[in-house]
Amino acid sequence: EPEVTQTPSHQVTQMGQEVILRCVPISNHLYFYWYRQILGQKVEFLVSFYNNEISEKSEIFDDQFSVERPDGSNFTLKIRSTKLEDSAMYFCASLRDRAYEQYFGPGTRLTVT
Amino acid sequence: DQQVKQNSPSLSVQEGRISILNCDYTNSMFDYFLWYKKYPAEGPTFLISISSIKDKNEDGRFTVFLNKSAKHLSLHIVPSQPGDSAVYFCAASNSGSNYKLTFGKGTLLTVNP
Repeated sequence: EPEVTQTPSHQVTQMGQEVILRCVPISNHLYFYWYRQILGQKVEFLVSFYNNEISEKSEIFDDQFSVERPDGSNFTLKIRSTKLEDSAMYFCASLRDRAYEQYFGPGTRLTVT
Repeated sequence: DQQVKQNSPSLSVQEGRISILNCDYTNSMFDYFLWYKKYPAEGPTFLISISSIKDKNEDGRFTVFLNKSAKHLSLHIVPSQPGDSAVYFCAASNSGSNYKLTFGKGTLLTVNP
């Protein structure tokens, strides 16, 4: 069964450094998302991406964040200058056309020290 | 701003009995509701969903009920099994908002043998 994959599973970085989190969505899906979950809190929407552009972003998704779909398979989230409060699990999700059920990857645990 | 609320952080039931997980929402624009199951260190896994035009959806041991007038939904698991032990997230979507998911805080279900 097709699944969403994410790399790396765990990323440790120093404050101020840039990180790139990678995702490979399910191949015939058209909508792509990033969510995050800070420890002990709920899963929060960051950004949605459709037709090669951002379709919606949350207040969290400020100028330090960017997303890209550089080729037909990868979907990346870049944080330009990480802060301590960026430490969280980051989940990628994808959605096929005419559906509501998003499929999530296993997540990347980002630890900013 | 909790648009989706799961007021019970945890629930413990005996194997074979019914588990009932509850969820309330405030945004009347939501038109689709989903339940996700999550194990530690994994991404959310889609479980079952319901459209706002229905009041019940059943899939094997899992049934979701929607009461639109009360803005309330519930997930019933019958019979509960130890393997059902996980965190269950209620999520809501709006087709007019790029299908992004708004999550509740989750309920930790423990099914005791």
